[in-house]
Amino acid sequence: EDKVVQSPLSLVVHEGDTVTLNCSYEVTNFRSLLWYKQEKKAPTFLFMLTSSGIEKKSGRLSSILDKKELFSILNITATQTGDSAVYLCAVGPTYKYIFGTGTRLKVLA
Amino acid sequence: GAGVSQSPSNKVTEKGKDVELRCDPISGHTALYWYRQSLGQGLEFLIYFQGNSAPDKSGLPSDRFSAERTGGSVSTLTIQRTQQEDSAVYLCASSSNSGAGNEQFFGPGTRLTVL
Repeated sequence: EDKVVQSPLSLVVHEGDTVTLNCSYEVTNFRSLLWYKQEKKAPTFLFMLTSSGIEKKSGRLSSILDKKELFSILNITATQTGDSAVYLCAVGPTYKYIFGTGTRLKVLA
Repeated sequence: GAGVSQSPSNKVTEKGKDVELRCDPISGHTALYWYRQSLGQGLEFLIYFQGNSAPDKSGLPSDRFSAERTGGSVSTLTIQRTQQEDSAVYLCASSSNSGAGNEQFFGPGTRLTVL
């Protein structure tokens, strides 16, 4: 059965800290892995990682994909209170993405 | 429109009633998805539309759930004879293509509460 597991479930840090969020998966016919940030209801897209793009960076956020070990990490450096959200990982063999339950990050001022 | 819109934003209904949830995707997006997110859970795939192809309904949890997409644009998710376990946030997303690796743009969701 295909599955996506995220860890930790929740995390509390102070502003300026660096955090690493984990996403491991077992999916038949892997095609891509997506990271989303969900603050209220609508998830907003962060990164897409595929076989041809295993490392992405945008500002303080970066992500890598390890296709051999079947996991991805999302790094956030110099965290800010605005980074507080649930971070979702989704893995797709095709269009039917399988989502993890997310990591709830709280950044304290 | 500029983004995916959904209505209503909140819906409270009594057990046994039918509800209709609406999704307006981004103009020109051919793929449309419905997901359900229960409290503290990840997104659960419900149904997928791509152009004029037959939808993938494999994620619908029971025959009380149905969805349609008229004219390749607006979609309606209908839940008949609602049950308390149907309470969740229902999210709609659209993308420009169904191919793997295409970013899905999400709407703000409809929070359904079944009393």
